[in-house]
Amino acid sequence: GAGVSQSPSNKVTEKGKDVELRCDPISGHTALYWYRQSLGQGLEFLIYFQGNSAPDKSGLPSDRFSAERTGGSVSTLTIQRTQQEDSAVYLCASSFNRGGYNEQFFGPGTRLTVL
Amino acid sequence: SQQGEEDPQALSIQEGENATMNCSYKTSINNLQWYRQNSGRGLVHLILIRSNEREKHSGRLRVTLDTSKKSSSLLITASRAADTASYFCATDAIKAAGNKLTFGGGTRVLVKP
Repeated sequence: GAGVSQSPSNKVTEKGKDVELRCDPISGHTALYWYRQSLGQGLEFLIYFQGNSAPDKSGLPSDRFSAERTGGSVSTLTIQRTQQEDSAVYLCASSFNRGGYNEQFFGPGTRLTVL
Repeated sequence: SQQGEEDPQALSIQEGENATMNCSYKTSINNLQWYRQNSGRGLVHLILIRSNEREKHSGRLRVTLDTSKKSSSLLITASRAADTASYFCATDAIKAAGNKLTFGGGTRVLVKP
């Protein structure tokens, strides 16, 4: 079946512009996660959606970052007034989160470059 | 520092050799997972070990978990060039809300043909 998809795969933008990154999770997965990965580094948690519960936004680095998940499916991560330090690969993952098993399925990521 | 931290940060071996990497964490967990990442893109789940398990096998992979030491190891036996990747451990901490995973910084493995 289809996996997690993300778009665009690459995005180059100028400092100060807004960007929107999209994630289509696996159908039926109740949980959706956004991570950021700088070059050669580990994953930095950004935000987590679980069903209809309020999202866990504890990882968002500043108020320039926001995300929403419409209809419990597709999610959009928005970065306003981008800065050069926002350059990274943004990864989305989804999971069932049932029975204590929360294996995450990752999308291919969006590589964001802020000039 | 992060919940999961891998060691070593980088590992270079010859094809056919075994590769061992370790992960340490700080809080009590429900489970610990290992993921592989090729070319800085999406991660692929390899194996999950629950807190009441001590060892698990999957093909050429062997994972151990020592909850008393808060550590885990991933062993790749008879390595192949295709095993070249970064490997991350991720912990699902016992807490009230959600099943958020915390990833370590990863071990970069290079398998030379």
